[in-house]
Amino acid sequence: AQKITQTQPGMFVQEKEAVTLDCTYDTSDPSYGLFWYKQPSSGEMIFLIYQGSYDQQNATEGRYSLNFQKARKSANLVISASQLGDSAMYFCAPDGETSGSRLTFGEGTQLTVNP
Amino acid sequence: DTEVTQTPKHLVMGMTNKKSLKCEQHMGHRAMYWYKQKAKKPPELMFVYSYEKLSINESVPSRFSPECPNSSLLNLHLHALQPEDSALYLCASSHLFPREQGMTGELFFGEGSRLTVL
Repeated sequence: AQKITQTQPGMFVQEKEAVTLDCTYDTSDPSYGLFWYKQPSSGEMIFLIYQGSYDQQNATEGRYSLNFQKARKSANLVISASQLGDSAMYFCAPDGETSGSRLTFGEGTQLTVNP
Repeated sequence: DTEVTQTPKHLVMGMTNKKSLKCEQHMGHRAMYWYKQKAKKPPELMFVYSYEKLSINESVPSRFSPECPNSSLLNLHLHALQPEDSALYLCASSHLFPREQGMTGELFFGEGSRLTVL
């Protein structure tokens, strides 16, 4: 079974600053991907960014980027120029041949952006 | 606006009631999911449907009964629930796994149905 670790239950950042949310995973799949989702207080899970294990470059999507270190099995999410609306729970989730459709989420990090 | 619609947004029911949660998507996805989420915890997978057939049941108690009438609709029938079943129930859809090359395959989630069992 895959194991996902998000070591930061809570993070605080000042508006307009960058913040890094950690995610490490343990998988034996030769090919896999990493998803990051955002969940505001409204409850909806919002897809942010995806990194494939064979992608040559770190994924970027607007203000979101991934610091993907395959050897360390980590895929940290970097949010640049934080906004108040970024305050939410953030979950990472790997997928791969072993898990298939069983997307399993880490425990999450509660990010609070201060004005 | 989310492309996965869940109704109702809030539901309060007694332990002897029968109710249903509904989910609809029109993105042509052939995989649909039910997740359960307790406060301050990650969503936990309950069921997966592939091509309208149940493909994964994560040992969910029989008081939860899923149904997929067609490729766009997913229901979760609730009967004789317990107070500990109170949670946010999230529906999601996606392209099937394994995915075609170049396809990210992310899950699209609805806003959830917040269930309270008295």
